[in-house]
Amino acid sequence: DAKTTQPNSMESNEEEPVHLPCNHSTISGTDYIHWYRQLPSQGPEYVIHGLTSNVNNRMASLAIAEDRKSSTLILHRATLRDAAVYYCILRANAGGTSYGKLTFGQGTILTVHP
Amino acid sequence: KAGVTQTPRYLIKTRGQQVTLSCSPISGHRSVSWYQQTPGQGLQFLFEYFSETQRNKGNFPGRFSGRQFSNSRSEMNVSTLELGDSALYLCASRTTGASTDTQYFGPGTRLTVL
Repeated sequence: DAKTTQPNSMESNEEEPVHLPCNHSTISGTDYIHWYRQLPSQGPEYVIHGLTSNVNNRMASLAIAEDRKSSTLILHRATLRDAAVYYCILRANAGGTSYGKLTFGQGTILTVHP
Repeated sequence: KAGVTQTPRYLIKTRGQQVTLSCSPISGHRSVSWYQQTPGQGLQFLFEYFSETQRNKGNFPGRFSGRQFSNSRSEMNVSTLELGDSALYLCASRTTGASTDTQYFGPGTRLTVL
């Protein structure tokens, strides 16, 4: 599986934007970029995913570099509830029977200060 | 819709025993994946079942096994428990098999081996 690299930790203040980077220099052409986060004492939850174009949803935005070797998860206005471990994951497209394996790295621990 | 449910939530066993954990996916989801989470190794993929068939398997010993029933509910079994099996076991479900599928995680079963 292609590997991702994320900073171990980041800090932010409440109400400010947060940019969480992810490097994936060995990404293949058909790998999707997924972001999940894990709040304390909970299972991971889906945040956003994309292939080539930038993506927006109600939770966040995903900015993908033109060469796809890096991406950035953007939380537009951090809240205390956004404090979590954020995982950047590449998912291979194995055709019609894609498998559900998610390869989690260590992720980025986001601390949000009031 | 009800989320992914896992039972039991907490379990204490002793070395050498075996344990069975249960996962009920979101209604309509046919794929169930299992993950082990420990402080040292992070989140690691165990296996995925789709339509009662194991589709992918992680790098775990044969003591870890699973199955899926016709109603998509899944169980995982760990035989001859070792201290190192103490972990949070997470189950995730998704609809089909596409790389764009969102995985929905349950709250996990916390297994402690004494």
